Amino acid sequence: EPEVTQTPSHQVTQMGQEVILRCVPISNHLYFYWYRQILGQKVEFLVSFYNNEISEKSEIFDDQFSVERPDGSNFTLKIRSTKLEDSAMYFCASSYGGVSYNEQFFGPGTRLTVL
Amino acid sequence: AQTVTQSQPEMSVQEAETVTLSCTYDTSESDYYLFWYKQPPSRQMILVIRQEAYKQQNATENRFSVNFQKAAKSFSLKISDSQLGDAAMYFCAYNNAGNMLTFGGGTRLMVKP
Repeated sequence: EPEVTQTPSHQVTQMGQEVILRCVPISNHLYFYWYRQILGQKVEFLVSFYNNEISEKSEIFDDQFSVERPDGSNFTLKIRSTKLEDSAMYFCASSYGGVSYNEQFFGPGTRLTVL
Repeated sequence: AQTVTQSQPEMSVQEAETVTLSCTYDTSESDYYLFWYKQPPSRQMILVIRQEAYKQQNATENRFSVNFQKAAKSFSLKISDSQLGDAAMYFCAYNNAGNMLTFGGGTRLMVKP
C-alpha cells in the first residue's frame, strides 16, 4: 500500500542553522501539507501546497519557513534560521483532492530538536 | 477561529468492551466536516471515520461509529468490541473550507487484555 515517507526520522540542529525536512508524498496525490506538533501540544497546520504554490498557510508559517516541490516526487519544508521553539514533530501529508472529501495520508514524522 | 477540544487525555477499556471518546468543537459555520484519526505508537496517523455536518445520519465504519450532535457541537467516537490493536492516540479534527485540518489535543486509549 502506498505510504507517505519522511526523512530524516530525527534531526538535531543548532539554533540559527537552516534545516530541510523531506517528504515523499503518495505518487498520484496533488495536495501536500505540513503540520507540526510541539511535545504535549496539539497537531497544528502549517501550510498546504497545490499546483506548485502555497494554497493556504497558518500564522505559524512565517518568513522563516518555506516549502518546495523540487522535483516530481519530493516535498520539502525549510526552516531558515531555527529557534528553540521550532523543536517539534513535523508531519507531512498528502491527498489526491481537497481534504473535505479526500483522505489525508500522513507520514511518520520528523522529530526536530533545536539546541 | 475554530477550536477542537478533547477533554479526556487518557482512556482505558477492557478488551471486547465498548469505549466512547469525546470531542467538542466551536464554529460559526453551518457546513463543515469532522474526522477521527488514529495514531498507533510510532506509526502514521490514519483516518478512522469522517462525518459531513449536513448529514444527520451518524457515520459508521465497522466497529467504529460516531455520535454527531450538531446543535451541541459534539462529535464522539464509539469503539465497539475493543481490540488490542485499537490502542493508540485518537485525534478529533475539523475542516470547513480549504484544506486545513484543526486538531484536538488527542486522547490516549489503552486496551487491557
